[in-house]
Amino acid sequence: AQTVTQSQPEMSVLEAETVTLSCTYDTSESDYYLFWYKQPPSRQMILVIRQEAYKQQNATENRFSVNFQKAAKSFSLKISDSQLGDAAMYFCAYRGITGAGSYQLTFGKGTKLSVIP
Amino acid sequence: DAGVTQSPTHLIKTRGQQVTLRCSPKSGHDTVSWYQQALGQGPQFIFQYYEEEERQRGNFPDRFSGHQFPNYSSELNVNALLLGDSALYLCASSIPSSYNEQFFGPGTRLTVL
Repeated sequence: AQTVTQSQPEMSVLEAETVTLSCTYDTSESDYYLFWYKQPPSRQMILVIRQEAYKQQNATENRFSVNFQKAAKSFSLKISDSQLGDAAMYFCAYRGITGAGSYQLTFGKGTKLSVIP
Repeated sequence: DAGVTQSPTHLIKTRGQQVTLRCSPKSGHDTVSWYQQALGQGPQFIFQYYEEEERQRGNFPDRFSGHQFPNYSSELNVNALLLGDSALYLCASSIPSSYNEQFFGPGTRLTVL
């Protein structure tokens, strides 16, 4: 079974600074998807960024980028120019490509990010 | 275009009771997944419905059951409620695609007393 580990329960960053959230995962599959979701106090999960394992190029979405290290099974999220609206819980998630694992997301326990004005 | 909607927003039940939670998927989506998110934890997959059938199930007891209607909306039923069932229940919808991106609703907060 796949597992996702987020080792930082809480992080804080000064407004306009850069922060990196860590995520590691365990899988025996060679191809899969990885995601970062944001959950603000409103509770609604919002997709921040996704990465296909077969792509070596790291995904970027505006101020959000990932550092995907497939051999190390590491998938960190970098937030640049942090804004007050970035404050939220961030979840790393895994989804397989084929079979039963392709239907479900496996989440880590989350990292609570605080942005200090 | 309405996103994923869930009802009710909050619910309080007592142990042993039964509860039904409802989800309407995003327009154009035909697949619905349910997740349980305990306080301070990440969401855990309960099951997924496609074409009115349960396609995949996570590690949850049979007290958790579901249904999908012809209009793709879905219900999650939990019988014989336990204190440990208190959680945020999230519904996510998607369409079959290479990404199979799941769009989440705001959730239903269930409290079992």
